[in-house]
This record gives sequence, C-alpha cells and structure tokens, in this order.
Amino acid sequence: SQTIHQWPATLVQPVGSPLSLECTVEGTSNPNLYWYRQAAGRGLQLLFYSVGIGQISSEVPQNLSASRPQDRQFILSSKKLLLSDSGFYLCAWKGGGADQPQHFGDGTRLSIL
Amino acid sequence: GNSVTQMEGPVTLSEEAFLTINCTYTATGYPSLFWYVQYPGEGLQLLLKATKADDKGSNKGFEATYRKETTSFHLEKGSVQVSDSAVYFCALMSYNTDKLIFGTGTRLQVFP
Repeated sequence: SQTIHQWPATLVQPVGSPLSLECTVEGTSNPNLYWYRQAAGRGLQLLFYSVGIGQISSEVPQNLSASRPQDRQFILSSKKLLLSDSGFYLCAWKGGGADQPQHFGDGTRLSIL
Repeated sequence: GNSVTQMEGPVTLSEEAFLTINCTYTATGYPSLFWYVQYPGEGLQLLLKATKADDKGSNKGFEATYRKETTSFHLEKGSVQVSDSAVYFCALMSYNTDKLIFGTGTRLQVFP
C-alpha cells in the first residue's frame, strides 16, 4: 500500500532563517505531488504541484520554492522566512487516473518567531 | 472559474443527531467530487468521493450524492458520534486538471 511521510511534524523558526520541509511517498511511482498551506482556521491554499522529476508549477507568488530531486521526494524551501509564512503545511500525492483522489500527509506545523 | 461553497460552521450537534453539511460547486464539464475530514492537529483524510452524476459516495456512515441538476454534494450522517468532531472539506477536481479546489471547511462539534 502507499504511504506518505512528512517531517518534521512541528518546527519553530526565527524570522529570516532558512526552511526545508521534506515529503516522501512510498508504494507508488511517478505520482503527482502537491504542497498546500493552511493558515489558522482557514482553508487550504495550493502552493506548488509537480507532475514529474524537476517539474514544478507555482500557484502563487511567494517567499517559498519547491523542488523534486527524486520521483517520490518533494521539498519545500525558503531562504529567509517571514512571519506570514507561519501555518500548517501539507504534502499530498495523487496517482494516475482523472478521478483519483489526492492523499495527504500528516502535515508540518510551522511557527515563525 | 471553478469554485466550491460550503456552509459556514461551526455546526454543533448532540450525539446521535442527524448531520447535514451543505456543499455546492461551480465547474465546467463534469468534475469529480470529494469530502475530506481533518481531525485536530492532523492532515486531511479522504472520507468519500463521487465521480459522476447520481453517484453516491459512502464511508463510516457518511453519505453524499452527486447532484448535477443542483450542483450539490451535501454530506449527511444519520447519527453522529463525539468522535466525528472534526473539520470537513468539500472539494472538486475538474476533468482536465489534477488540482483540487477546496471549500473553506466546516467545523463539526458533537457533544455527548
């Protein structure tokens, strides 16, 4: 069966520090991969998605970037964090097929001080 | 563009009450429709889905029917439990994209 892992589960970082969040998927190949952000008490905002190695689409201009160095690895990064980057970050994967759902990881709660 | 509208919460119910969370959508073509649930401090879990008109998705006592004539996908459960307390998200995926569009979520609180 397929599983998705995100780490770390929680992170507290000072303003201006760098960020690296990692997401890996097991049990499938060539998945679509997604990064979402959920601000406190609000819905989900799609940040990035990828249909293959090295292929990244950005949905909103921001202080963050994403990379996909391997088929089942998706990394969210920042060179300098802002206070507004605080939130709950979720990674998701989707298999082939137009009606297949996305499956989510457990998320990373990021607090910027 | 495509969008999803959910009823605002919180929805507060007593245990064993009947639940309805309304969801309507706007989309071109024939989207797939999903309900996700998010328990406190966790990621989203797929609850159920429907991929064409008149399909009924069901799981864990929850049901939702894809109504194309009313562009709705309302979530229902006949008898809620305290353990159902969570945030519920309605979402659609258009036929020509692999991206989900979410509603804003509805918080359900069930009291004993």
